[in-house]
Amino acid sequence: EAGVAQSPRYKIIEKRQSVAFWCNPISGHATLYWYQQILGQGPKLLIQFQNNGVVDDSQLPKDRFSAERLKGVDSTLKIQPAKLEDSAVYLCASSLSRGGSAARETQYFGPGTRLLVL
Amino acid sequence: AQSVAQPEDQVNVAEGNPLTVKCTYSVSGNPYLFWYVQYPNRGLQFLLKYITGDNLVKGSYGFEAEFNKSQTSFHLKKPSALVSDSALYFCAVRDMLSNYQLIWGAGTKLIIKP
Repeated sequence: EAGVAQSPRYKIIEKRQSVAFWCNPISGHATLYWYQQILGQGPKLLIQFQNNGVVDDSQLPKDRFSAERLKGVDSTLKIQPAKLEDSAVYLCASSLSRGGSAARETQYFGPGTRLLVL
Repeated sequence: AQSVAQPEDQVNVAEGNPLTVKCTYSVSGNPYLFWYVQYPNRGLQFLLKYITGDNLVKGSYGFEAEFNKSQTSFHLKKPSALVSDSALYFCAVRDMLSNYQLIWGAGTKLIIKP
């Protein structure tokens, strides 16, 4: 079974530029998560999708960040314009569902995209 | 408030010795608890989870975790550490009150010395 795919793996941009990250979850996983992980910290949830609907985006800085999952499969996270403090690893994860059982809720992560904003 | 604490920023263990990485939690209701490992420049890998039942949970790579309800702890353990176990370990608990989000600990860096 293929894991969660993310691209690109690394990205270097200058502040005020825009950037987009792509994620393809494990086949059949209805729930998709985007996390931001700053060096030395645990992951911070940015947005959670259930199929193509947003479940929670309370911690997404909506003035500059946007995300979509139009067909309920792969997803794109965009930052426009980027700030220096956006330098982090952006992790995508997926699970069979949310709620129901721990087995179905177990999240599987992609390798992440390391973003450096100069 | 729901929370997870990993009281040690770093744990140092000699190869071959047993290791313990500590985690305590505070959550309403029955907890779903998870351990993940992160190797350098890699994403998070699922190690094991606790749902209900047996308090000793076995996971990947020889790791196990002990759930203690009275102490609200879920410590990660391994009987004999390997150098390759050196990584960053995260404990997480499901928050039923916030769309089933995972609440994450700050992580513990495990260093296994040869």
